[in-house]
Amino acid sequence: GQQLNQSPQSMFIQEGEDVSMNCTSSSIFNTWLWYKQDPGEGPVLLIALYKAGELTSNGRLTAQFGITRKDSFLNISASIPSDVGIYFCAGSRLMYSGGGADGLTFGKGTHLIIQP
Amino acid sequence: DGGITQSPKYLFRKEGQNVTLSCEQNLNHDAMYWYRQDPGQGLRLIYYSQIVNDFQKGDIAEGYSVSREKKESFPLTVTSAQKNPTAFYLCASFPPGGEGAYNEQFFGPGTRLTVL
Repeated sequence: GQQLNQSPQSMFIQEGEDVSMNCTSSSIFNTWLWYKQDPGEGPVLLIALYKAGELTSNGRLTAQFGITRKDSFLNISASIPSDVGIYFCAGSRLMYSGGGADGLTFGKGTHLIIQP
Repeated sequence: DGGITQSPKYLFRKEGQNVTLSCEQNLNHDAMYWYRQDPGQGLRLIYYSQIVNDFQKGDIAEGYSVSREKKESFPLTVTSAQKNPTAFYLCASFPPGGEGAYNEQFFGPGTRLTVL
C-alpha cells in the first residue's frame, strides 16, 4: 500500500521555536489528518482537514490542506517541552470517514525533539 | 467513560506460537481496525471490520487473522506464519461517516509484541 512522504524525519529545536512539517502524496486525498503519538501510546488526533485550501488552527497548531489535494502542512508555534513526540500525517480518499478499503494512509512520522 | 482498550500492554511469545491481542470498545462504533507500527514507520493496515461478522484484509494481512463476533470486540491473532511479528500493534475504531467523524475516532493504547 501507499505511504505518504512526510518530512522532515526528525527535528531538533530549541524551546520557543516554531516548527513546520509537511506531507506529500502522488495522488489526491479528500481528507487530511494530523496526529501526535507519545512513546508507547496510540496516536491522538490533532487536526482534521476536509476541504482543499482549508487552514485550521488548534491552539498553537495550524494545519493546511493543500490546494492540489496532494499535500498538507502542520505548523507549531512557540514550541514547549510537551510538544515532544512523533507527528503523523494521514490521508483518506473518503470525504468523511476512515471506513472501508480506503482507510487511512499514513506518513512515516516526524520525530520532534525539543532542547531546553 | 467511553473508550477503546487493548490488552495486554506488553506481550512476549516464543517463535512459532500463535498469540491473540485483545481490542474492546464501548463507543458503539461500527468500524474497527488493526494497524501495525514498526520503528521509524507509519501505521500499516492489517485488517478492518465495518460490521459484525464481516472483516476485510488490509495491506499486510498475511500471517494474521481476526474475528468480529461482537460489535465491541475485534481480536487479532498473530500466527506462526507471520515472519516478523515483533511490532507495536494498534487498534482503532471509527463512528459512522459524516463530517466531523474523524473527531470521534480513537486509537487504543497499543500492545507491544515481542517474539523471542
